Amino acid sequence: KQEVTQIPAALSVPEGENLVLNCSFTDSAIYNLQWFRQDPGKGLTSLLLIQSSQREQTSGRLNASLDKSSGRSTLYIAASQPGDSATYLCAVRGGSEKLVFGKGTKLTVNP
Amino acid sequence: GAGVSQSPRYKVAKRGQDVALRCDPISGHVSLFWYQQALGQGPEFLTYFQNEAQLDKSGLPSDRFFAERPEGSVSTLKIQRTQQEDSAVYLCASSLDRQGRGAQETQYFGPGTRLLVL
Repeated sequence: KQEVTQIPAALSVPEGENLVLNCSFTDSAIYNLQWFRQDPGKGLTSLLLIQSSQREQTSGRLNASLDKSSGRSTLYIAASQPGDSATYLCAVRGGSEKLVFGKGTKLTVNP
Repeated sequence: GAGVSQSPRYKVAKRGQDVALRCDPISGHVSLFWYQQALGQGPEFLTYFQNEAQLDKSGLPSDRFFAERPEGSVSTLKIQRTQQEDSAVYLCASSLDRQGRGAQETQYFGPGTRLLVL
């Protein structure tokens, strides 16, 4: 059974700092990995999707990497802003259509 | 275009009541998913439809949970005889899932229905 772990559970940083969020998964047989953002009381917004054949994806200040063999992904956020404050969720898709999520990292960026 | 919508956004039910949660996916999206998110946890898969066919219901926690998508568009998640442990946010997601590219399609999530069972 696939299990996804995210470290740290919470992170507080000053504005402007670069930061890394970590995600690990137990079964390396995945089709893709997605990073989502969730704001309080809201649904999930997809940030980046990395195919199993890819090593990284970039969108603006966000960069996600994938090391499938070691079961790890990182989400790098450059020059963090208060608007980046949210919970970041990592999810993997295996042989079925469903996504398996981690518990998330709650990020607070202080002005 | 419009995203995934869900209704109601909030539902308070007395223990033992039946509830019905609605999901309107993005127009043209073939795949539809339901997830349950408990407080402080990540979403957990409940069930998956491709058009009107329910292809995976392995995540439904008990036979009190039932989902349908009769015309391949709108879906309803029904919970019978609600219990306090059913309190959670229920998220619906849809994806385009074009044949041969299913693995590459992003799931788009609705805002969720927050269910509180008293």
